[in-house]
Amino acid sequence: SAVISQKPSRDICQRGTSLTIQCQVDSQVTMMFWYRQQPGQSLTLIATANQGSEATYESGFVIDKFPISRPNLTFSTLTVSNMSPEDSSIYLCSPFDGREAFFGQGTRLTVV
Amino acid sequence: QKEVEQNSGPLSVPEGAIASLNCTYSDRGSQSFFWYRQYSGKSPELIMFIYSNGDKEDGRFTAQLNKASQYVSLLIRDSQPSDSATYLCAVGLSGGSYIPTFGRGTSLIVHP
Repeated sequence: SAVISQKPSRDICQRGTSLTIQCQVDSQVTMMFWYRQQPGQSLTLIATANQGSEATYESGFVIDKFPISRPNLTFSTLTVSNMSPEDSSIYLCSPFDGREAFFGQGTRLTVV
Repeated sequence: QKEVEQNSGPLSVPEGAIASLNCTYSDRGSQSFFWYRQYSGKSPELIMFIYSNGDKEDGRFTAQLNKASQYVSLLIRDSQPSDSATYLCAVGLSGGSYIPTFGRGTSLIVHP
């Protein structure tokens, strides 16, 4: 399985600010999924990041709020913009190697 | 609307017993099926995947798939307290894409 480094592991942010989450994989992967998981809930797919093209966003998520970059096949970032307390959640990157999806360690975000 | 349903539990079993976790899905064209284990405060960990009807065994874990009835299950034999976690079922949508839909997860408690 891939070795995934997701940073930061946690952060406390002021409302109105932005946070960029980084996800580094030790091998090239076809796609990168970004999920949000709120306490006691399952995973909600935010978007799918592909290299060389814009990310594909799921219903309820927009690029202005969650801009994503995918400069190469081993790295991606998700930015949570203009944060509000409702954005407090765990954010997970999930590299897809063509067969299976794995998960980063997650970023626990608290917006105050 | 594509849905993956799991009983949220908790499912409580004694140590040494067989734990049976079930998942149903709505998209009849689903191609791939995955079970993830998630310990509290940790990210999901892939433990099993299955693509074909029937059983697939890996150590103490057995995944069972019945496409006609649209369910997939996970059996854990000789359950241990360390198996206590939330188990997430994920289903790959039709069309050959793995972009997964996750169930809400079943909480499993194995008591000594």
